[in-house]
Amino acid sequence: QSALTQPPSASGSLGQSVTISCTGTRSDIGGYNYVSWYQQHPGKAPKLMIYEVSKRPSGVPDRFSGSKSGNTASLTVSGLQSEDEADYYCSSYIGSVLFGGGTKLTVL
Amino acid sequence: QVQLQESGPGLVKPSETLSLTCTVSGGSISGYYWSWIRQPPGKGLEWIGYIYYSGSTNYNPSLESRVTISVDTSKNQFSLKLNSVTAADTAVYFCARDMSSLYWGQGTLVTVSS
Repeated sequence: QSALTQPPSASGSLGQSVTISCTGTRSDIGGYNYVSWYQQHPGKAPKLMIYEVSKRPSGVPDRFSGSKSGNTASLTVSGLQSEDEADYYCSSYIGSVLFGGGTKLTVL
Repeated sequence: QVQLQESGPGLVKPSETLSLTCTVSGGSISGYYWSWIRQPPGKGLEWIGYIYYSGSTNYNPSLESRVTISVDTSKNQFSLKLNSVTAADTAVYFCARDMSSLYWGQGTLVTVSS
């Protein structure tokens, strides 16, 4: 049961868009639509931003969107704002739960 | 509004058992899955396991031999026990609801040290 693969870092300028990838296998991401994305600011608990690949919980801005193609899920943040600077984790839940290693998003 | 709060010792000696409790307020523990997740300092999230309110469990295979998660519906609490701890178990431990977790506790740092 391997962790999902995320790039360690990503960056984008204020107002621009950035996409973070999360690669698994056909046994997890590729086989099920149970992918979540979390945002975590330093010293805080993770916050659910996306669930079931592309659904947003109430209160999450529509600047955040999720998608999936094959074994790779993606989180896109549009119209980057300074408060979007954080760590982002993907997760797949298929009986067990897998997390990605996390991506540090820097807003330039 | 559902709230979760972790409680337990912040310092555990090597080879002993780490014990934490998560108290759920603002909603019932019944009808949901309840998870434990940990985060070593400066590192990523690691799923420990979850329990359904009825008592069925699922654990991370890498920790399964040392982990027990239990639930007490009368107290609206669920608990984590991790035995034979080492320094590698030093982490912030979070409790959360469901596997796609909208509700999280604030986390509690547990340090394993003599």
